[in-house]
Amino acid sequence: GDSVTQMEGPVTLSEEACLTINCTYTATGYPSLFWYVQYPGEGLQLLLKATKADDKGSNKGFEATYRKETTSFHLEKGSVQVSDSAVYFCALSGGGSYIPTFGRGTSLIVHP
Amino acid sequence: DAGVIQSPRHEVTEMGQEVTLRCKPISGHDYLFWYRQTMMRGLELLIYFNNNVPIDDSGMPEDRFSAKMPNASFSTLKIQPSEPRDSAVYFCASSQLGIGYEQYFGPGTRLTVT
Repeated sequence: GDSVTQMEGPVTLSEEACLTINCTYTATGYPSLFWYVQYPGEGLQLLLKATKADDKGSNKGFEATYRKETTSFHLEKGSVQVSDSAVYFCALSGGGSYIPTFGRGTSLIVHP
Repeated sequence: DAGVIQSPRHEVTEMGQEVTLRCKPISGHDYLFWYRQTMMRGLELLIYFNNNVPIDDSGMPEDRFSAKMPNASFSTLKIQPSEPRDSAVYFCASSQLGIGYEQYFGPGTRLTVT
């Protein structure tokens, strides 16, 4: 079945540092890929998505590129802020099933 | 649209009591999902509905859990009897499904069973 693997956290950074959170997937077919963010005390919300190979999703300074050859969808940001502290989930849908498959989540902590 | 609405936001109950969690999905979304989130197990899909019909409940942990969707705008997740290990945050999400469609999550219900 479909699966998503994320790097384990927490990831701890200083403000203005560069961020990369790794995500790789296993799926049949041609899934869409997503990054969701969960701020403390809230539900998950979509951060960005890409629906086909080589697409780049971007939002709020975050980017991720759909790499079919490496089955990856790494999340990057050039300069993180304290307000980016949250849990980030990589997910896919439309591989073997339209039902979304989520990774375990990666906690990001940004210090001033 | 107000987004996915869940109630209550917090629930504290004693072991053995019945607990009912409620969800109103986004209008027009034909899929509804119930998730449970804990530190130990992460985000778990419990059950999902398509056009008000339960499609897959294989994630429901045991018979104490049940879910219904009597119409397109309302769903419940019931735990009877509740146990301390049911303590978690329960999320409802709705979606139009297909490649490229994202899920919209509610704010969650934090359940504590003492």
